[in-house]
Amino acid sequence: AQSVTQLGSHVSVSEGALVLLRCNYSSSVPPYLFWYVQYPNQGLQLLLKYTTGATLVKGINGFEAEFKKSETSFHLTKPSAHMSDAAEYFCAVELTNTGNQFYFGTGTSLTVIP
Amino acid sequence: GAGVSQSPSNKVTEKGKDVELRCDPISGHTALYWYRQSLGQGLEFLIYFQGNSAPDKSGLPSDRFSAERTGGSVSTLTIQRTQQEDSAVYLCASSKNLGEQFFGPGTRLTVL
Repeated sequence: AQSVTQLGSHVSVSEGALVLLRCNYSSSVPPYLFWYVQYPNQGLQLLLKYTTGATLVKGINGFEAEFKKSETSFHLTKPSAHMSDAAEYFCAVELTNTGNQFYFGTGTSLTVIP
Repeated sequence: GAGVSQSPSNKVTEKGKDVELRCDPISGHTALYWYRQSLGQGLEFLIYFQGNSAPDKSGLPSDRFSAERTGGSVSTLTIQRTQQEDSAVYLCASSKNLGEQFFGPGTRLTVL
């Protein structure tokens, strides 16, 4: 069963425009949610995470994401794209009721157009 | 060390040879994961170790792949009789019982 779905394998935005990368999950209990970023020829690094508490979480480089239980979503946003944001973004869930298994989405490649 | 380390960083081998990839997780992290990332693709889960529990091997693509974790720390991923389709970046990550995964820099495997 697919636990994480990222809509759009490629997203292009103009520099200065809003960035919206979509992530939906399936889980019988509220999971832990993560966004990772992978810059070209680099490893994965954590952008932000939601575990408990405030549903709007802020991460590095001006990114934020909101956990919406009713929509089973954890979309990533940034108000104004920079050229340096061009990278691959992965959404991930940790299903806290199944031995802490992680599931990663297939990734979204973000292109920023000058 | 401060982070997850992997060795070698690059490995070129001939088809049919065996290779061993090593991962040193962050000290104190009980969980360790191996993933494979082919060129331009997402993360393919391979295997997961959690403490002393039996590993979750459900992602291993064939019986040529195996992994072990000694003493709850260092892990070795072994690929026997390598094939060209095994060429990829192999990523290791570790985490505490609950929480984010910390990734190593990966091992780029090229099978000629």
